[in-house]
Amino acid sequence: KQEVTQIPAALSVPEGENLVLNCSFTDSAIYNLQWFRQDPGKGLTSLLLIQSSQREQTSGRLNASLDKSSGRSTLYIAASQPGDSATYLCAVPQDTGRRALTFGSGTRLQVQP
Amino acid sequence: DVKVTQSSRYLVKRTGEKVFLECVQDMDHENMFWYRQDPGLGLRLIYFSYDVKMKEKGDIPEGYSVSREKKERFSLILESASTNQTSMYLCASSLDNNYGYTFGSGTRLTVV
Repeated sequence: KQEVTQIPAALSVPEGENLVLNCSFTDSAIYNLQWFRQDPGKGLTSLLLIQSSQREQTSGRLNASLDKSSGRSTLYIAASQPGDSATYLCAVPQDTGRRALTFGSGTRLQVQP
Repeated sequence: DVKVTQSSRYLVKRTGEKVFLECVQDMDHENMFWYRQDPGLGLRLIYFSYDVKMKEKGDIPEGYSVSREKKERFSLILESASTNQTSMYLCASSLDNNYGYTFGSGTRLTVV
């Protein structure tokens, strides 16, 4: 059964820093990996989707990489801003053929002004 | 953009009540999902559906059932609400395995 781990669990940084969030998964036979953002008390907003054939995806100040063979993904946030404060979750399909996602427990990010 | 709408943001129900949580998506997606999210336990899959009238149990289906009579609507039913079902419930949809998931804004259910 697929398991997803995110490190660190929480992170506090001053505004302007570049930072890296880590995600690891146990079964490398994945279709894709998705990063989400969740604000307190709200639903999940999709940030980036990386297909299994891709190594990275970029959207604005966000860059996500995927290394299937090692079971790892990183989310890089450049020039962090207070508005980036949120919980970031990564997710992969539960197992081959199954459509549902397994989520990591998330990294809670606080960017200090 | 795909929109997934959950009918209620906040809901308070009494123990033993039958509770319906509704979710509607507007992009003809095949797959729809119900998760619950609890502090320290993360997101856990309750049920999902890959077609009209089709459903499959997730990791924690006990105490829940679902209904998908139309492609755009996926309902989660708490047959007899209990206090341990107090949680944030999140609905999602996706086209297929190659596409991302879109989530609704969530329903915070409190059972008293």
